[in-house]
Amino acid sequence: AQSVTQLDSQVPVFEEAPVELRCNYSSSVSVYLFWYVQYPNQGLQLLLKYLSGSTLVESINGFEAEFNKSQTSFHLRKPSVHISDTAEYFCAVSATGRRALTFGSGTRLQVQP
Amino acid sequence: DVKVTQSSRYLVKRTGEKVFLECVQDMDHENMFWYRQDPGLGLRLIYFSYDVKMKEKGDIPEGYSVSREKKERFSLILESASTNQTSMYLCASKGAGPQHFGDGTRLSIL
Repeated sequence: AQSVTQLDSQVPVFEEAPVELRCNYSSSVSVYLFWYVQYPNQGLQLLLKYLSGSTLVESINGFEAEFNKSQTSFHLRKPSVHISDTAEYFCAVSATGRRALTFGSGTRLQVQP
Repeated sequence: DVKVTQSSRYLVKRTGEKVFLECVQDMDHENMFWYRQDPGLGLRLIYFSYDVKMKEKGDIPEGYSVSREKKERFSLILESASTNQTSMYLCASKGAGPQHFGDGTRLSIL
């Protein structure tokens, strides 16, 4: 079985500041890792994913995440946030070959002017 | 672009009622999922289906059932609604790539 821990339930940050949202996972088998974003009153949208290959993955809107196998982490970072990044962010994991995802409890990113 | 449509954004029902939540996807995906989302708990898997008429229990199936008679449609059924089933319900579908989500149904049981 897999589990995901998102260490921060809320992260307040000022506009244009850097941010890191932390995610740690536990699994006895190889995994795929995902970050999803949920804007208010909407469903989840895929932000980025790690399946294999380069451990640093990037999204089109400036976020990046690095898979660290030894620390079982997949932290999400952005060097300079915008007001429009205010949302809830979910880290998720699936065992390779398994269809379902296991989600963390979410981190609410609040970007202040 | 993948489209996952949930039939209602908001729904209010009474304790003991039988409740149907509907989800339709337009990408011929084999796999479909139902999650519930609660503050501080993230998303928890209720049931998923990997083919027509095939289903598997997720982490919290108690009090729920599902139906998949056609590939594009996956229904979640609350047999006898209770107040602790008040929640946001999210449907997702998946082909070879990642899961795609609908906008959710916010269900209130009074």
